This record gives sequence, C-alpha cells and structure tokens, in this order.
Amino acid sequence: AQSVAQPEDQVNVAEGNPLTVKCTYSVSGNPYLFWYVQYPNRGLQFLLKYITGDNLVKGSYGFEAEFNKSQTSFHLKKPSALVSDSALYFCAVRLLGSYIPTFGRGTSLIVHP
Amino acid sequence: GAGVSQSPSNKVTEKGKDVELRCDPISGHTALYWYRQRLGQGLEFLIYFQGNSAPDKSGLPSDRFSAERTGESVSTLTIQRTQQEDSAVYLCASSLVTSGSNTDTQYFGPGTRLTVL
Repeated sequence: AQSVAQPEDQVNVAEGNPLTVKCTYSVSGNPYLFWYVQYPNRGLQFLLKYITGDNLVKGSYGFEAEFNKSQTSFHLKKPSALVSDSALYFCAVRLLGSYIPTFGRGTSLIVHP
Repeated sequence: GAGVSQSPSNKVTEKGKDVELRCDPISGHTALYWYRQRLGQGLEFLIYFQGNSAPDKSGLPSDRFSAERTGESVSTLTIQRTQQEDSAVYLCASSLVTSGSNTDTQYFGPGTRLTVL
C-alpha cells in the first residue's frame, strides 16, 4: 500500500522569501517520490524526483526537495520565491514494482509581491 | 518535441449523453494513464495501459467508464450516460517504461474539461 499526505491546503509566502511545501508518505518498501506543478488551466508539469542516491534532489525552476527516510518526508523547497511560482503543487509516491503513483491532494502556493 | 495532447480541451454535454475523450501520448511512450481531477481535488487514478493492454482498471468508477488504446498510440476514454458528478478535468499522462524499470517520469497533457449539464 502507498499513500501521500500534503498537510497544507495553502501556503502563503512573500516574494524573495524561502518557501517550503510539505509532503509525507507511507509505503511498505522503497519509495519513488515526485513533485509536479500545475498552473491554472494546464496539465501537471514534472519538477523533480527522488529514486535513489543523494537525499537532496534539484529540479526545475530552482526547486529542490529533500528525502528524509526517518521522517518519511519529501518537502519541496526554494530559497527565494517568485510571484510566478504561484501554482498548485502535487507530491506523488510510487512503490518499487508498482506503475501506479499515488498523488497528494495538492497544495496551493501563493507568493505575494 | 511534441508533448502529450488531449482533445477536446473543453466539452459541455447534457446529462445522459455519451462522450469520448482522446489522448495522444508522446511518441514511443509505452505507458499511458488516465486521471480525473475534480474541482479543488487531487488526482484520481482511473486506468493504466502498458502498450495496448490495460493491466490496471481498478480506478474506473463505474461500468459507464471504459477506455481503449490502439497499439502504443492514441487512447480514448468513453463515458456513457454521463451524470453531473462526472464533471471534472480528465488528464492523460504517458511515460517511457523500460524493461524492469518503473522510475520513469509521467508527462501530462493539458486535460479535457468536461461539464455535464
């Protein structure tokens, strides 16, 4: 079984400040973890993924995420937020041997000028 | 290169009518997925194709929903006798699944917004 939780429906941050979007997961095995972003009226765009190796993963648009096995977390971060980062962010987990990912409910990120 | 495309982008239909939604995956991608996204909700898995076979149909919500795929190309999601609760954005994604690997990234289409009146 696999599940993912995004505990915050919405995150507000001022432009230029660091941002964090939280994600925790539950799997019975080794997880493959993904972050996607969805802009209004668009499909999901891939940001980054963790498969194995370094716990800190760097992705598109300056985003990064840290895999923390002990806390079963994969929080998305960016050192300095831009207004254009405002969008809906989805975390997803997939278990080794499964081709079906489970997505979180999404977190709306709002970056204020 | 070309990404995943879906048509139509918007579909308005009357309750009880049948609708067909189309997905063109990225060329060469063997895996294809359909998801449903209701307003303000996350993604709900519907069905997964590997090639033209569907090893996992567990997400289809009722027998009014069906999908097929031609070869490793176009897929069609059909909803019969539409109901108002079918109103949602239907997203398609494809990925290149190499032998023994399931680490590949999914690439999503822009979605079809279905409104059932």
